[in-house]
Amino acid sequence: QVQLQESGPGLVKPSETLSLTCTVSGGSIGTYYWSWIRQPPGKGLEWIGYIYNSGSHMSNPSLKSRVTTSVDMSKNQFSLRLSSVTAADTAVYYCARDGGGSHGLDYWGQGTMVTVSS
Amino acid sequence: SYELTQPPSVSVSPGQTVSITCSGDKLGDKYACWYQQKPGQSPVLVIYQDSRRPSGIPERFSGSNSGNTATLTITGTQSMDEADYYCQAWDSSTWVFGGGTKLTVL
Repeated sequence: QVQLQESGPGLVKPSETLSLTCTVSGGSIGTYYWSWIRQPPGKGLEWIGYIYNSGSHMSNPSLKSRVTTSVDMSKNQFSLRLSSVTAADTAVYYCARDGGGSHGLDYWGQGTMVTVSS
Repeated sequence: SYELTQPPSVSVSPGQTVSITCSGDKLGDKYACWYQQKPGQSPVLVIYQDSRRPSGIPERFSGSNSGNTATLTITGTQSMDEADYYCQAWDSSTWVFGGGTKLTVL
């Protein structure tokens, strides 16, 4: 059974960079796409971006200039960096296994709350 | 940018059938997915490729997609189905989510 676990600081100061890591267990990170999704308190889901083991990636156009994703095959982890954060970036951040355009996001982490505040 | 539109809320009586719609330009030309999210929990994929159910998803969940509208249908709705439902589509190599629909089972 594939399991995902997000980790990272729960509090980030405005203008700084949010950094999160997702650790995958129960399967290899090498054969799927891996996505990040966020959900502001009381609001809907927003897709942030995905990465593949080759390093190919794509981001939400609304966030593209601030998003960096990476993958560490040796640790079975992938990571998200979101720069120049503001209060609007406060959200629960999820990582998920991405089956691609036809298969959806079939395994999700439990999510981690990140608050942007000074 | 591509947009998906869902009704904010839908209600249904236990045992009845309910449909939740998701609208987008030529959505029928793309694959649609549906997720169920209960309070305090991570989303769960309930439909992919318009109408396929992942392993473990009850048969009462079904989906269709044609024209500009994808539809999630729950037949014989149970109280445990009360949740937020999100549609999702793949457009220009990116994922797009609908705004979500709160399903209330009265």
